[in-house]
Amino acid sequence: DAGVTQSPTHLIKTRGQQVTLRCSPKSGHDTVSWYQQALGQGPQFIFQYYEEEERQRGNFPDRFSGHQFPNYSSELNVNALLLGDSALYLCASSLVDRDYGYTFGSGTRLTVV
Amino acid sequence: GENVEQHPSTLSVQEGDSAVIKCTYSDSASNYFPWYKQELGKGPQLIIDIRSNVGEKKDQRIAVTLNKTAKHFSLHITETQPEDSAVYFCAANSNTGGFKTIFGAGTRLFVKA
Repeated sequence: DAGVTQSPTHLIKTRGQQVTLRCSPKSGHDTVSWYQQALGQGPQFIFQYYEEEERQRGNFPDRFSGHQFPNYSSELNVNALLLGDSALYLCASSLVDRDYGYTFGSGTRLTVV
Repeated sequence: GENVEQHPSTLSVQEGDSAVIKCTYSDSASNYFPWYKQELGKGPQLIIDIRSNVGEKKDQRIAVTLNKTAKHFSLHITETQPEDSAVYFCAANSNTGGFKTIFGAGTRLFVKA
């Protein structure tokens, strides 16, 4: 049973560019949450998607946007990249309202230069 | 806003000793408290969780306790082994304030052989 799959694993971008990160949830899960994890810190909530809608959003600017597709996979888009956006971006899947525990992917390491 | 504080940030123990990590949360509506283990290059993995209607839960060498009055919860690892070395995160979730899970800053556990 495949867990959460994220792509790419590593990415280097230049300031001002745009990036798209992808996530396939664990089989049977319908909810996808995205987190940003800076080096040495805990994951920070970006937003959560369910039924192709943004269900809740954390304290991140509008440069961060997302999408969920009918097959439950999801994308995270970041526009106008800043150096401070360099981090590990984690995707977590779960089953809405029945399983609060997350299954995390291994993340995408984004470096902005 | 919601906040989860975690202590200590670093913990070093001898193999076979016990390790205790403590967390406090601010949102009194929090009702689910998962713990995650993150190994180098991987995403966090759920290792144990506790709900607000339970005071203690144990799974082999791992136990969690919850004091709702004091808004404290703790992770106890007994008979530590070198493979327990990792970063541990506590987290709190409230489905009344939204659906996001708030993470602590993490504890880096070193188990010396």
